[in-house]
Amino acid sequence: SSELTQDPAVSVALGQTVRITCQGDSLRSYYASWYQQKPGQAPVLVIYGKNNRPSGIPDRFSGSSSGNTASLTITGAQAEDEADYYCNSRDSSGNHRYVFGTGTKVTVL
Amino acid sequence: EVQLVESGGGLVQPGGSLRLSCAASGFTFSSYEMNWVRQAPGKGLEWVSYISSSGSTIYYADSVKGRFTISRDNAKNSLYLQMNSLRAEDTAVYYCAREGSLHSGSYFFDYWGQGTLVTVSS
Repeated sequence: SSELTQDPAVSVALGQTVRITCQGDSLRSYYASWYQQKPGQAPVLVIYGKNNRPSGIPDRFSGSSSGNTASLTITGAQAEDEADYYCNSRDSSGNHRYVFGTGTKVTVL
Repeated sequence: EVQLVESGGGLVQPGGSLRLSCAASGFTFSSYEMNWVRQAPGKGLEWVSYISSSGSTIYYADSVKGRFTISRDNAKNSLYLQMNSLRAEDTAVYYCAREGSLHSGSYFFDYWGQGTLVTVSS
């Protein structure tokens, strides 16, 4: 089965830029989607497709992809962006089976 | 407003069964594919199961295949997860999630419920 690998934790100074990466073979075939999860809350979709934000998601969140790597960038991080972030894609089988990344804890200093 | 509300979680002994429900509102439920995703305490997200809009196509994670059954009732706007032969490692918050797609190659979960906790312990 497919795997998606993320760095366990990153930190960013308030107002600065942070990039979170997600690596996996399935990303050569499918775009990643990205989810923000704060403690005790359900995940929230922040980026999908090539670089699309759902309504209500600030434009400081952006996504990109190259080869087997997808990235989520927060430009001008705010205190409220401190959370766990997960990438996700269909797995390489091509069926409706999915895989989540290992998750990245973002700390805003 | 799209809403997904899970219910049915609780404490169950190893080897026992539980049926989770997800009540959907605010959208045409019968037009959307649905999924279950779980999260063990302190751990990451794990995809569990998928069901097509009509219910005719179903997939499971290897970790639950043969033990869990996903189903839906479009007339009742409800999604279900029947969990049998439960194990300690099935302890998790279970979320139902609506699936969206832009085009071939772009799939995502655009709405999530608040989750229901399943604890498997003696």
